[in-house]
Amino acid sequence: EAQVTQNPRYLITVTGKKLTVTCSQNMNHEYMSWYRQDPGLGLRQIYYSMNVEVTDKGDVPEGYKVSRKEKRNFPLILESPSPNQTSLYFCASSSIGGNEQYFGPGTRLTVT
Amino acid sequence: TQLLEQSPQFLSIQEGENLTVYCNSSSVFSSLQWYRQEPGEGPVLLVTVVTGGEVKKLKRLTFQFGDARKDSSLHITAAQPGDTGLYLCAEVYSGGSNYKLTFGKGTLLTVNP
Repeated sequence: EAQVTQNPRYLITVTGKKLTVTCSQNMNHEYMSWYRQDPGLGLRQIYYSMNVEVTDKGDVPEGYKVSRKEKRNFPLILESPSPNQTSLYFCASSSIGGNEQYFGPGTRLTVT
Repeated sequence: TQLLEQSPQFLSIQEGENLTVYCNSSSVFSSLQWYRQEPGEGPVLLVTVVTGGEVKKLKRLTFQFGDARKDSSLHITAAQPGDTGLYLCAEVYSGGSNYKLTFGKGTLLTVNP
């Protein structure tokens, strides 16, 4: 089954404790992206990657890092999480110029 | 990156009613996608519109792309509780080595039985 998986689905952590949210896709897509979704602000892009070892900032990259060492994986790293990073995070993938972005199920992160 | 305005922000209707939600921009869209997001899940693509004036139908959903490609609408006929969800429009930019989706804030639709 074609899918995008994210782990964990739920995470509660404390300020400053480094964390990683994993994202994996099994569709051989070149393009992968991270979004955060907040009430009243919609979906905003954090980082994206056009292919292995090619990453670029989206609209709200501050406080986040990503890496793309393999085509299927695109982890989101929060080196020092802060409460304003409490949000619902989505990973997505697609073929370049493809018709559809496939989204993962989301990771709800709470930083206290 | 252009600003996408979706309206209304919230919509609560009874089963069987018709409704229309809108997506507007001050600039021309290259192409536009509509997604539906159900509670606890990621968005799922409903349709892509590319050509000005284009109309696409998906069962009870009708999508229209404005002639000038600056607006789009989604009309649902005889809404059902299963239509409940967040409806998002997204501009697709694809050019050269760049590819990006920019989303509107969405319309949260509730269809009451």
